[in-house]
Amino acid sequence: QKEVEQNSGPLSVPEGAIASLNCTYSDRGSQSFFWYRQYSGKSPELIMSIYSNGDKEDGRFTAQLNKASQYVSLLIRDSQPSDSATYLCAVNRVTALIFGKGTTLSVSS
Amino acid sequence: DTGVSQDPRHKITKRGQNVTFRCDPISEHNRLYWYRQTLGQGPEFLTYFQNEAQLEKSRLLSDRFSAERPKGSFSTLEIQRTEQGDSAMYLCASSPGTSGRSQETQYFGPGTRLLVL
Repeated sequence: QKEVEQNSGPLSVPEGAIASLNCTYSDRGSQSFFWYRQYSGKSPELIMSIYSNGDKEDGRFTAQLNKASQYVSLLIRDSQPSDSATYLCAVNRVTALIFGKGTTLSVSS
Repeated sequence: DTGVSQDPRHKITKRGQNVTFRCDPISEHNRLYWYRQTLGQGPEFLTYFQNEAQLEKSRLLSDRFSAERPKGSFSTLEIQRTEQGDSAMYLCASSPGTSGRSQETQYFGPGTRLLVL
């Protein structure tokens, strides 16, 4: 079992819809969780961090964490074509970030 | 802009040559990280510095790879005797060093894309 798993996609949604991105992790001791966005050919850019069970909202983005189920998700409301990118889920293992392969999101106008 | 910077942005080299990359972290960030990313994969951790001390190395960091952060500011990553399998994006990240290591946000630089022919 890989440490951090994501569906590679592509996930296709129409403009204005809600995009739901999911991530599972294997280490129950993990405490910090991050979502990064990566445009093609660019470096990862932080979107959200979450440390406690529940929801955390920032603008159009909501991160959800369920430690019992070892599950993290990212919701993007009112999706825009500019949201088209690869979304990387990362779990902090003391120092190193352990990344999933990423989910490619395509928002069509 | 005072983000993480990396140089060069692109490097093409022939197999067997040595290459060196530089990373300048965000000012006053004590922690510095190197990652490698290949196509279709997430970044993979290579090594971590707290100030000038290299505190953690991944098993991915073979003996052909060496990293330094001599004065606790910029860092260099050198690859000796490059192989085609070294072709990847090399990413540097930094974090403040003011919180617990597991909670700090890491900010990434633009990366150095290496192609080994």
